[in-house]
Amino acid sequence: SQTIHQWPATLVQPVGSPLSLECTVEGTSNPNLYWYRQAAGRGLQLLFYSVGIGQISSEVPQNLSASRPQDRQFILSSKKLLLSDSGFYLCAWRAAASYEQYFGPGTRLTVT
Amino acid sequence: AQSVAQPEDQVNVAEGNPLTVKCTYSVSGNPYLFWYVQYPNRGLQFLLKYITGDNLVKGSYGFEAEFNKSQTSFHLKKPSALVSDSALYFCAVRDIRGAGAGKSTFGDGTTLTVKP
Repeated sequence: SQTIHQWPATLVQPVGSPLSLECTVEGTSNPNLYWYRQAAGRGLQLLFYSVGIGQISSEVPQNLSASRPQDRQFILSSKKLLLSDSGFYLCAWRAAASYEQYFGPGTRLTVT
Repeated sequence: AQSVAQPEDQVNVAEGNPLTVKCTYSVSGNPYLFWYVQYPNRGLQFLLKYITGDNLVKGSYGFEAEFNKSQTSFHLKKPSALVSDSALYFCAVRDIRGAGAGKSTFGDGTTLTVKP
């Protein structure tokens, strides 16, 4: 069966510090991968998605970047965090031939 | 462009009563429609989807949803609510063609509270 992992689960970082959040998927090949941000427990904002290694599409111009160095690894990064980067970050995957997405447990980021 | 609206921020029902969580959508082509549930501090869990065929789709935990093309709606329903159904529910839509293909748009979520 397929499993998606995210780490860390929680993170407190000062303004101006770098960020690296990692997401890995097990039990599938060539998944579509997604990064979302959820603010204040409400709607999801799509940040990045990837259909293959090295292929990244950005949805919202901002302080963040994403990379996909391996087929089942998706990384969200920032060089300098802003207060507005605080939120709940969710990684998701979808099989290329399927329809629904499956979400990881999320990372709670607080920028102080 | 594709969009989805969940008109109710909060739905309250008594345990054992039927529940409905509303969703309307807008796409330029034909939609794929989804419902997800989120428990506090957790990721979203897939509940059910409409792709094609029968307008009434059944999903996990006794939930079902009815696709209504004329009203562009996809309301989530359950005949008898449980306290454990209390959570945040998201409707999502994906256009099967065009620029939105492959990417889903999520509603803002509806908090369902089931009281004993």
